[in-house]
Amino acid sequence: GESVGLHLPTLSVQEGDNSIINCAYSNSASDYFIWYKQESGKGPQFIIDIRSNMDKRQGQRVTVLLNKTVKHLSLQIAATQPGDSAVYFCAESGTASKLTFGTGTRLQVTL
Amino acid sequence: DVKVTQSSRYLVKRTGEKVFLECVQDMDHENMFWYRQDPGLGLRLIYFSYDVKMKEKGDIPEGYSVSREKKERFSLILESASTNQTSMYLCASSSTGGGNYGYTFGSGTRLTVV
Repeated sequence: GESVGLHLPTLSVQEGDNSIINCAYSNSASDYFIWYKQESGKGPQFIIDIRSNMDKRQGQRVTVLLNKTVKHLSLQIAATQPGDSAVYFCAESGTASKLTFGTGTRLQVTL
Repeated sequence: DVKVTQSSRYLVKRTGEKVFLECVQDMDHENMFWYRQDPGLGLRLIYFSYDVKMKEKGDIPEGYSVSREKKERFSLILESASTNQTSMYLCASSSTGGGNYGYTFGSGTRLTVV
């Protein structure tokens, strides 16, 4: 079946550096992608989304890049802060308003 | 501030008990979802609903049922709790309109079945 996956289960970065979290998706028909952040003990929170007619979208300190040719999605976090430590999920649109989620990447920010 | 509220953060129940997990959203969203989250397995869809009194099975519906009598409320029911249902349960809602159907999640209910 269709799936969403992540290359790195854990990413450790130093405070102030940029972080890049990657995600591979397999459903070429997906037209909507989202990144979520989940802090310990909390539910996932929406970070940023992108539609398939775009290849880049920027938010505050975050950028999502979409490469449809290789079915790859990435989340870039600029000047990573300790508060960015969390698990990050990518999600892709499935059928009938359902999202398919990846298993998550843990981002650890070291001082 | 719009939100999805799950009634309990932590629950401990005994094997065989009937368990109700409640979820309420205040965004007038049409769609509501129940997921469970386990280490290494990610988010797995249990049930979802696109409208009042409508329900659809997700990927792992066995041992669960749901109820959606009102648009804002979606309840997950464990008919006879078992230890393998110990997990974090997440409720989410989304809107159908606009083509951007990102979910809003609740804070989760950590259920332990002993």
